[in-house]
Amino acid sequence: AQRVTQPEKLLSVFKGAPVELKCNYSYSGSPELFWYVQYSRQRLQLLLRHISRESIKGFTADLNKGETSFHLKKPFAQEEDSAMYYCALTSNSWGKLQFGAGTQVVVTP
Amino acid sequence: DVKVTQSSRYLVKRTGEKVFLECVQDMDHENMFWYRQDPGLGLRLIYFSYDVKMKEKGDIPEGYSVSREKKERFSLILESASTNQTSMYLCASSLSRWGENTGELFFGEGSRLTVL
Repeated sequence: AQRVTQPEKLLSVFKGAPVELKCNYSYSGSPELFWYVQYSRQRLQLLLRHISRESIKGFTADLNKGETSFHLKKPFAQEEDSAMYYCALTSNSWGKLQFGAGTQVVVTP
Repeated sequence: DVKVTQSSRYLVKRTGEKVFLECVQDMDHENMFWYRQDPGLGLRLIYFSYDVKMKEKGDIPEGYSVSREKKERFSLILESASTNQTSMYLCASSLSRWGENTGELFFGEGSRLTVL
């Protein structure tokens, strides 16, 4: 069975400090991994996907198959990064996503 | 711009009532999903549908049913609401073309249901 684990419920960082959100997964095949974000009073939306290898809003995430991890990183956090972040996995079975429990990020000035 | 619209933002129902949550998408997406979102548990898939009149159980289907009579509309039904179904319900849709699944889900704003 596939599983996504986000060990931190809450991350509190200062503006300008680096931030790393941890995500570990268990899946026997070759999954596709994503980070979704939900800003206050907004709908959940895709932040980035590992196959794109892109940086969005300064965030990057590297898939480490050996460690089965997909951690999200940003070198200098901004106040507008305060949000709930979800790591998600799909096995391409009709596109349904398995989500982690989420990490609330609070960036303080 | 993809739009997923959930008809009710807030509902308050009594235990035992039948509840309908409606979701409409305007981008001709094949796949539609219902998740519930609870603090500390994240999003859990209730049901999904990959075509009209097709439905598949997700991880927590008990106490729920769904209906997809038209491609653009996916309804979640609570036959007899219970207090443990108090939650935020999120509808989502995605494009799927025989494996060309980008994995990007487009979400509605959510329906917050309180069952008393």
